[in-house]
Amino acid sequence: GAVVSQHPSRVICKSGTSVKIECRSLDFQATTMFWYRQFPKKSLMLMATSNEGSKATYEQGVEKDKFLINHASLTLSTLTVTSAHPEDSSFYICSASQNTGELFFGEGSRLTVL
Amino acid sequence: AQSVSQHNHHVILSEAASLELGCNYSYGGTVNLFWYVQYPGQHLQLLLKYFSGDPLVKGIKGFEAEFIKSKFSFNLRKPSVQWSDTAEYFCAVSNTNAGKSTFGDGTTLTVKP
Repeated sequence: GAVVSQHPSRVICKSGTSVKIECRSLDFQATTMFWYRQFPKKSLMLMATSNEGSKATYEQGVEKDKFLINHASLTLSTLTVTSAHPEDSSFYICSASQNTGELFFGEGSRLTVL
Repeated sequence: AQSVSQHNHHVILSEAASLELGCNYSYGGTVNLFWYVQYPGQHLQLLLKYFSGDPLVKGIKGFEAEFIKSKFSFNLRKPSVQWSDTAEYFCAVSNTNAGKSTFGDGTTLTVKP
């Protein structure tokens, strides 16, 4: 199956700094990628849909200025958590679709904000 | 709006026991249905999917699921679980092929050896 890779898998940062997480589709082109946040013992909360070459579509309640998404190429989408605070600590997951409806997930990135 | 409900939050079984995890969704139109699995320390991966046709679909590792349209259900089954089936299981629904899916809260399955 298709492979999606995320980097970094773990990141620790100080409060107030910004952190960038990359999501790459390694063996296919993804016009659409999705970013989720997963809380402990909870489901995946869709944050936004990343569209190649256009602005991301954010879900209700997600601050677009805080979670900047850039989908500059057909194989790369980035999520930047700006001015991170401890409450932003979470597990962030990306996925990509080949327009079959099936999602291919990255390994996830655990963000810890001190 | 779509919603997905997984009735079992945590299921504990002994090896060789039969498994059924419930999944119900709310959406009146045509849907694509999925079960994803997340093994400990690994990323989410597809277990099986239903788009159309035979409502009984078979996935990897002996899992199957049945789509019952009248009940808005897509329950996951396995006749005999193994210790290696210990994982988090997510049901998901999509009304398009673009990939945007709504996920249930997940069911933690623990299989005791």
